[in-house]
Amino acid sequence: QSVLTQPPSVSGAPGQRVTISCTGSSSNIGAGSDVHWYQQLPGTAPKLLIYGNINRPSGVPDRFSGSKSGTSASLAITGLQAEDEADYYCQSYDSSLSGSGVFGGGTKLTVL
Amino acid sequence: QVQLRESGPGLVKPSETLSLTCAVSDYSISSGYYWGWIRQPPGKGLEWIGSIYHSGSTYYNPSLKSRFTISVDTSKNLFSLKLTSVTAADTAVYYCARHQAVGATWYFDLWGRGTLVTVSS
Repeated sequence: QSVLTQPPSVSGAPGQRVTISCTGSSSNIGAGSDVHWYQQLPGTAPKLLIYGNINRPSGVPDRFSGSKSGTSASLAITGLQAEDEADYYCQSYDSSLSGSGVFGGGTKLTVL
Repeated sequence: QVQLRESGPGLVKPSETLSLTCAVSDYSISSGYYWGWIRQPPGKGLEWIGSIYHSGSTYYNPSLKSRFTISVDTSKNLFSLKLTSVTAADTAVYYCARHQAVGATWYFDLWGRGTLVTVSS
C-alpha cells in the first residue's frame, strides 16, 4: 500500500491527451510538499520528468506537464506518442515518521 | 556528464549481508548534494531506502527496519549500501541516485542503471 495513490493503468490513442493522478494526504502533498514525476521505460531506470510540481528538466518535451492542487497532483501528456508507453511514478516528501521520501505505486501508460 | 554506476553481487544467500557501491563520475561527491538508494522489487514500484550527505549525515526510510546502513567514501567518490540479514523479500533492482533535498522538496534527478540483487540459497 503506497503512501501516494495512483491509478494502476491508463491508456490513450496516439495524438490524444491523458492524465495520471496522484493522491496524497495532509502529511505530504496537502502539507505543501512538492510533487515530482518519473518516467520508467521498459527495462530501464526511472528518469526525472517533472520536478517541483510543474518544472521540466532540460530535454523533457513540453508535451509533459504537471499540476498540483490540495492533496493531489496530476501529470498530463498531450500529443501521445508510442514512445510514451512506460510506467509513471509520482513522488513527494512525507513529514510524518521523521520525514521520508514517498512514491506512488506507479501507473502503466499504454498507447493504443 | 555526471554518471552513477552501481556494483555488487547479483546473488546473495538468505541471512547474509548485501553490500552495494555506487561510483559517481564527473562530479565530486564532496561538492554537495545528497546521494540516495532506491529499490524496486520485480514487477513492483519504487521504494526509497535512504540517503547520505557528503558530510556523512544520513536519512533512512522510517518504514523500513533498521537493517540498512549507508556510508560515503569521498576519497573514492562513491557511496555504499549495506543490508544485513537479507531475505527473499529483499530481492530487487537497487538504484543509486543523486538526491536533491531542500526543506520539503526531495527528488532524485540523476539515476544509475540499477543492479539486480537476488536473494536465494
